Amino acid sequence: VLTQSPSASASLGASVKLTCTLSSGHSGYSIAWHQQQPQKGPRYLMKVNRDGSHTKGDGIPDRFSGSTSGAERHLTISSLQSEDEADYYCQTWDTDIQVFGGGTKLTVL
Amino acid sequence: DVQLVESGGGFVKPGGSLRLSCAASGFTFPTAWMNWVRQAPGKGPEWIGQIKSVRDGGTAAYGAPVKGRFTISRDDSENMVYLQLTSLKSEDTAVYYCTRDLRYGPTTGAFDIWGQGTTVTVSS
Repeated sequence: VLTQSPSASASLGASVKLTCTLSSGHSGYSIAWHQQQPQKGPRYLMKVNRDGSHTKGDGIPDRFSGSTSGAERHLTISSLQSEDEADYYCQTWDTDIQVFGGGTKLTVL
Repeated sequence: DVQLVESGGGFVKPGGSLRLSCAASGFTFPTAWMNWVRQAPGKGPEWIGQIKSVRDGGTAAYGAPVKGRFTISRDDSENMVYLQLTSLKSEDTAVYYCTRDLRYGPTTGAFDIWGQGTTVTVSS
C-alpha cells in the first residue's frame, strides 16, 4: 500500500524531499510522516492530505513541510541539520487497519 | 504535557503470556482511539491493533500476525490502555509502543503521540 525508497542522502544545509507512494486504489488517502532518530522511538511529524494540506505535530520546525502530487505524499526538509539524520516512515489507515511504509533512511552528509 | 507511558515489558518463554500497560495523561483520553505498534530489532514499525473510544463502540481490531493471540482493552476511568499478549513466539520480540489517534480532528487517523516503548523479549 505504501512504498518508500530505502535510502536518501543530502548535504548539511541543503534540502531533501522524501516520497511515500500510495498504491493503486488508495491514491486519495491521507498519510502521516514519522521520524525515528537513532536509538529513539518514533515521533509524529505531520499528516499530509490528498490536497497537499498538512497538520504538523507540536514543536515540529518550519523546516519540515508536506505536499502531494497525485498518489505521492512528500516530506521536504530544508536547511538540513545533523539531527535530521534518521529513519522516516509513512503511515496510512482505513477501516480497522493501519499500515506503515518500509521507511527511508536519511543520511546527512 | 500530553504523554503516554508504557510498562510491563520483560523476558518471557515461548508460549508464555504478558500484559503491557499504557498510562495516558494530558488529554481527554475517553475520546481517543488508542493503538499498539511494535518494532522488532532492525525493522520498521508494525501495527498490532487499535481500540476505539467507547462512544465509537469501544471495539478492537488487530493485525493479522497477532489476531487471536493478543487482546487490547481500555479503562477510561484510569486513562489506561492494555495489551494482553498470549501464546508468545520468538518473532514477537520487539519494542512495543502505545500511540494515540485523536479522532474527529485534523490529525484523524494519524498516530500523533507515541510512548517511549517497552521491550518484550521472547526466548527460551
